[in-house]
Amino acid sequence: NAGVTQTPKFQVLKTGQSMTLQCAQDMNHNSMYWYRQDPGMGLRLIYYSASEGTTDKGEVPNGYNVSRLNKREFSLRLESAAPSQTSVYFCASSVGGAGETQYFGPGTRLLVL
Amino acid sequence: KNQVEQSPQSLIILEGKNCTLQCNYTVSPFSNLRWYKQDTGRGPVSLTIMTFSENTKSNGRYTATLDADTKQSSLHITASQLSDSASYICVVSANSNYQLIWGAGTKLIIKP
Repeated sequence: NAGVTQTPKFQVLKTGQSMTLQCAQDMNHNSMYWYRQDPGMGLRLIYYSASEGTTDKGEVPNGYNVSRLNKREFSLRLESAAPSQTSVYFCASSVGGAGETQYFGPGTRLLVL
Repeated sequence: KNQVEQSPQSLIILEGKNCTLQCNYTVSPFSNLRWYKQDTGRGPVSLTIMTFSENTKSNGRYTATLDADTKQSSLHITASQLSDSASYICVVSANSNYQLIWGAGTKLIIKP
């Protein structure tokens, strides 16, 4: 039982490049989330998926797209990376809504030059 | 505006000592409040959850309190250990939407 896994662990991009961050959970959770964490700030929700087949914008969705591929997998895509997207990205999942315990992956550290 | 503020920003204490971390929130309507522990380089892990009717909840050496009237919560750590070094994040859930309001965290360093 791996919980929530994320790939890659670390990535360096040049401005304008694209990439996809992968996330998978093996806990049969319905809801999945993508957050970014910047120094001195709380986690900010980028997108979430309340259930398979649905996605919704969070607090900071601009510059990102998501896909809920199936119940297990939720990917985050940066179409044209910008230095402002340098951050640590966390994927999380929960059985039901946001008020329930969220289980986090180890994070992806992204540096955009 | 829904906000969660934590204090202090950082704290250094000696191993074996106790400490208390504070969380003030302005979130309405209130659903629940959680404390998460985040080790360096890892994702957050839930420590406790407090609902509106709960005043105190313990999880081993961690005790969380909630005063829903003053909209304040605290996390007390007893007999600190080196492994308690981490960031502690207060998170409030509002009934009205799907999102959580995350505090910026308190970075706790335990020195031997």
